[in-house]
Amino acid sequence: QVQLVESGGGVVHPGGSLRLSCAASGFTFSSYGMHWVRQAPGKGLEWVTFIRYDGGNKYYADSVKGRFFISRDNSKNTLHLQMNSLRPEDTALYFCAKEMMNYLTFDSWGQGTPVTV
Amino acid sequence: SYVLTQPPSVSVAPGQTARVTCGGDNIGSKSVHWYQQKPGQAPVLVVFDDDDRPSGIPERFSGSNSGNTATLTISRVEAGDEADYYCQVWDTSGDHLYVFGSGTKVTVL
Repeated sequence: QVQLVESGGGVVHPGGSLRLSCAASGFTFSSYGMHWVRQAPGKGLEWVTFIRYDGGNKYYADSVKGRFFISRDNSKNTLHLQMNSLRPEDTALYFCAKEMMNYLTFDSWGQGTPVTV
Repeated sequence: SYVLTQPPSVSVAPGQTARVTCGGDNIGSKSVHWYQQKPGQAPVLVVFDDDDRPSGIPERFSGSNSGNTATLTISRVEAGDEADYYCQVWDTSGDHLYVFGSGTKVTVL
């Protein structure tokens, strides 16, 4: 079955950087777009960024554009999120999520990794 | 940007029907997806493309979408259905391509 395991979260000062990773298994990783979605403490879900199955297209929420960078290594079935210039409002649980083919939504999620700024 | 409006809370007795609404401008023209999130857990897709269910989701969960309102219906509600529910659409007009509603807490009395 699909498994997504995030890592790399932690506590960082404002202006600092973190690199999150998501290890994927149980499906053909190189065939699916992948996302990062975050959830601030006690708040709702916020989409952050998407990368196409081959890494060719990337999209970002305006709130993170120019500071966060998504990438993937299909040879290692791994998704990454480089987060720079972190702000207190970036504090959240960060989930990686698998795109549902043809439906522009998310059909599998990891358990999340916490980031505190 | 496109806004999805959900009621903060819905209460329902066991065995009854819960309806969670998701309002948006002409949302009937979009494909709406619904997630269930229990405390401390990741979201789970329960309805996609307005009214389809992923495998493993009980038939008690259904969806509809028309005009300016999409609705998630949970029939024969069980204690285990108590959770936060979020609607989601894809929209290119604003600053988030994938837009979530604010979430609705469903409480089973």
